[in-house]
Amino acid sequence: KNQVEQSPQSLIILEGKNCTLQCNYTVSPFSNLRWYKQDTGRGPVSLTIMTFSENTKSNGRYTATLDADTKQSSLHITASQLSDSASYICVVSDRGSTLGRLYFGRGTQLTVWP
Amino acid sequence: EADIYQTPRYLVIGTGKKITLECSQTMGHDKMYWYQQDPGMELHLIHYSYGVNSTEKGDLSSESTVSRIRTEHFPLTLESARPSHTSQYLCASSEPDPQGSYEQYFGPGTRLTVT
Repeated sequence: KNQVEQSPQSLIILEGKNCTLQCNYTVSPFSNLRWYKQDTGRGPVSLTIMTFSENTKSNGRYTATLDADTKQSSLHITASQLSDSASYICVVSDRGSTLGRLYFGRGTQLTVWP
Repeated sequence: EADIYQTPRYLVIGTGKKITLECSQTMGHDKMYWYQQDPGMELHLIHYSYGVNSTEKGDLSSESTVSRIRTEHFPLTLESARPSHTSQYLCASSEPDPQGSYEQYFGPGTRLTVT
């Protein structure tokens, strides 16, 4: 069964600190993995996308890593800001799907305190 | 920010009412999707469309229906709303990139509450 598991479920950090969010998946055959940021009451917005051959991708203070062998990914946030408070969702796409089917994790709810 | 719009953003309605959630995109994407998301839970695909006059049910059973008469428009309708329909509904659209991967662009969502 294709699944995406994220940890931790929630995380509270102080402004300026770094944090790392985890994602494990069983989706096969694997096409790509995305990290989305979803602000409260809004739709998800893509942060990074990685294919099978990529093991790291950065977008400003966000750095995602991918280990396709162990089927694990992480999202590292550097020098956190109050605006980073949101849900971060790991999304995996399977190869060969003409629909572009996505499998969603439940997200990690990050809260950044001043 | 993606050019995909949803209205209304918030809706509180009584049981038994018929409602239509609007979704439109100006990117010319063929594929469109409707997701349902409860607080703290993952998004569940309830409907999708490959293009005009094409609609399919998603992974999560839903009493809602959709139509795709125009490329840019993908409305979702509930004939008789019930409290169990209370949720957030997200619309998305996509097209393949040069690598064949599909980037889905999401609308802001409609928060539906049925009393």
